[in-house]
Amino acid sequence: KQEVTQIPAALSVPEGENLVLNCSFTDSAIYNLQWFRQDPGKGLTSLLLIQSSQREQTSGRLNASLDKSSGRSTLYIAASQPGDSATYLCAVLEITSGTYKYIFGTGTRLKVLA
Amino acid sequence: DTGVSQNPRHKITKRGQNVTFRCDPISEHNRLYWYRQTLGQGPEFLTYFQNEAQLEKSRLLSDRFSAERPKGSFSTLEIQRTEQGDSAMYLCASRISEAHLSGANVLTFGAGSRLTVL
Repeated sequence: KQEVTQIPAALSVPEGENLVLNCSFTDSAIYNLQWFRQDPGKGLTSLLLIQSSQREQTSGRLNASLDKSSGRSTLYIAASQPGDSATYLCAVLEITSGTYKYIFGTGTRLKVLA
Repeated sequence: DTGVSQNPRHKITKRGQNVTFRCDPISEHNRLYWYRQTLGQGPEFLTYFQNEAQLEKSRLLSDRFSAERPKGSFSTLEIQRTEQGDSAMYLCASRISEAHLSGANVLTFGAGSRLTVL
């Protein structure tokens, strides 16, 4: 059974710091991995999608990497800003008996202090 | 296209009542998912549709839960005889699976429907 773990569970950093969020998964047979952002009481917003054949994706100050063989992904946020404060979730898309299902981690709650 | 739309955004009900949530996905998205999220947790998979076919249903979904996607467009999630443990945010998401299309496989979420059972 696929399990997705995110470390740390919470993180507080001063503005301007570069930071790394970690995501690990137990079954490397994934189709893709997606990082999301969630603001309190809101839905999830997609940040980056990495296909299983890719090693990394970049969007602005965000860079996500994927190492399928070791079951890990990292989300790198450069020059953090107070507006980056949110919960960050990773999800893996696995294929089981022909159905495609996303399994989520519990998230990392990030607070960027001004 | 206004994205994934969910209604109602908030629902407060008494234990034992039935509630129904509606999700309107992005129009060309053929795959639709329902998730449940409680405070401090990641979303938990409930069920999944490919067009109008319900392909998988989590064992988390008791017989009191039912979901439909008639004609492969909007979807409804009904909870019968609600219990306090059903209080959660119910999230709907959709995606298109054809790899050659722009945005393929990007899972897009709605804002969620928050259920409070008193």
